[in-house]
Amino acid sequence: KAGVTQTPRYLIKTRGQQVTLSCSPISGHRSVSWYQQTPGQGLQFLFEYFSETQRNKGNFPGRFSGRQFSNSRSEMNVSTLELGDSALYLCASSFAGADGYTFGSGTRLTVV
Amino acid sequence: DQQVKQNSPSLSVQEGRISILNCDYTNSMFDYFLWYKKYPAEGPTFLISISSIKDKNEDGRFTVFLNKSAKHLSLHIVPSQPGDSAVYFCAASALRSGGGADGLTFGKGTHLIIQP
Repeated sequence: KAGVTQTPRYLIKTRGQQVTLSCSPISGHRSVSWYQQTPGQGLQFLFEYFSETQRNKGNFPGRFSGRQFSNSRSEMNVSTLELGDSALYLCASSFAGADGYTFGSGTRLTVV
Repeated sequence: DQQVKQNSPSLSVQEGRISILNCDYTNSMFDYFLWYKKYPAEGPTFLISISSIKDKNEDGRFTVFLNKSAKHLSLHIVPSQPGDSAVYFCAASALRSGGGADGLTFGKGTHLIIQP
């Protein structure tokens, strides 16, 4: 069974640009969550999508947004990038959102 | 304000001995707890979970204990093996009556080093 796939693995962007990250969950999983990992703040919850609806949201500014498609694939978008957005962005999927979440390997975003 | 705390940034244990990783939480709404293991450049790997209706859950070499009154949980690994060397994260969530759960709140992690 294929795991959670995140693309791209690495990305370098310039301040002010926008970026879109992609996540393909495990087949059959309907919940997709996004997390940001930085050395200072650790792993922080961004938002969760379930059946194409945002079900839960963390404490991040509106520049961070996401969506989920009918096949459960999800995208995360960050607009007007700041240097502080440099981080590892992790996607996690689960069947219903309350069982063990399976994480992807992440997308390493560097903002210069 | 950190709602999930792992107060030991690192822990060194001899191979074959027991590793005990600790985690404290402050939010009494948390009722679902998970442990993850993470290697560099990889996403966290789910190890074991426990809901607040239990005080212990076992899976092979891994056992998680939950003390709700103390708002404390621990992960025991017995016996410790070299491949267990990694960063371990404690995470907590609140289950929703309508299904699903709130996003996971993670601790900052404990780097476990298993010495031969």
